[in-house]
Amino acid sequence: NAGVMQNPRHLVRRRGQEARLRCSPMKGHSHVYWYRQLPEEGLKFMVYLQKENIIDESGMPKERFSAEFPKEGPSILRIQQVVRGDSAAYFCASSLRPGQTHTGELFFGEGSRLTVL
Amino acid sequence: DAKTTQPTSMDCAEGRAANLPCNHSTISGNEYVYWYRQIHSQGPQYIIHGLKNNETNEMASLIITEDRKSSTLILPHATLRDTAVYYCIVGFLTSGSRLTFGEGTQLTVNP
Repeated sequence: NAGVMQNPRHLVRRRGQEARLRCSPMKGHSHVYWYRQLPEEGLKFMVYLQKENIIDESGMPKERFSAEFPKEGPSILRIQQVVRGDSAAYFCASSLRPGQTHTGELFFGEGSRLTVL
Repeated sequence: DAKTTQPTSMDCAEGRAANLPCNHSTISGNEYVYWYRQIHSQGPQYIIHGLKNNETNEMASLIITEDRKSSTLILPHATLRDTAVYYCIVGFLTSGSRLTFGEGTQLTVNP
């Protein structure tokens, strides 16, 4: 059973370009979470999605950032017009529906490291 | 989500037990205690969780005090590969909620 898959693992963008990060959850998981980790800092929650629904986006910056989890395909975190401060590791996690067998523990991918030049 | 307090860093000798404490005095009755760890630059890894009873799995043991205001993660025979930041998180994943990571404890296992 493959784990959470994130790609690309490393992404370099120039200021003003767009970054798209993809996350395929574990098989059978219908809940996806995105976290950001700035250099030398802790993990900060960004957004929580179910298929075709954004459940909690309280951690998303107000502008330039968006996320989706379509009915088919991976979840996408999109950053428009990137700036140097967006350089960070972006981690995706997935879980079963809370209440199903497990009590909501998260399984993380290896992250996508964005560098903005 | 209830707040947790952990020491910033700890050291442990290889082969010895590592005992990582966590205070969560404001935990509510239906909140779980979760432990994750993050080995340098890797994705966080789930370790264990519990509600009231002590728990053990292949990775660690979790001891929760009777009043549930604190807990201890025990790695029975620490290895160099256990060097990581360990996060104690309190919460309950219902629809619409998520886990909040704090600063964690940097555990360094020394040879």
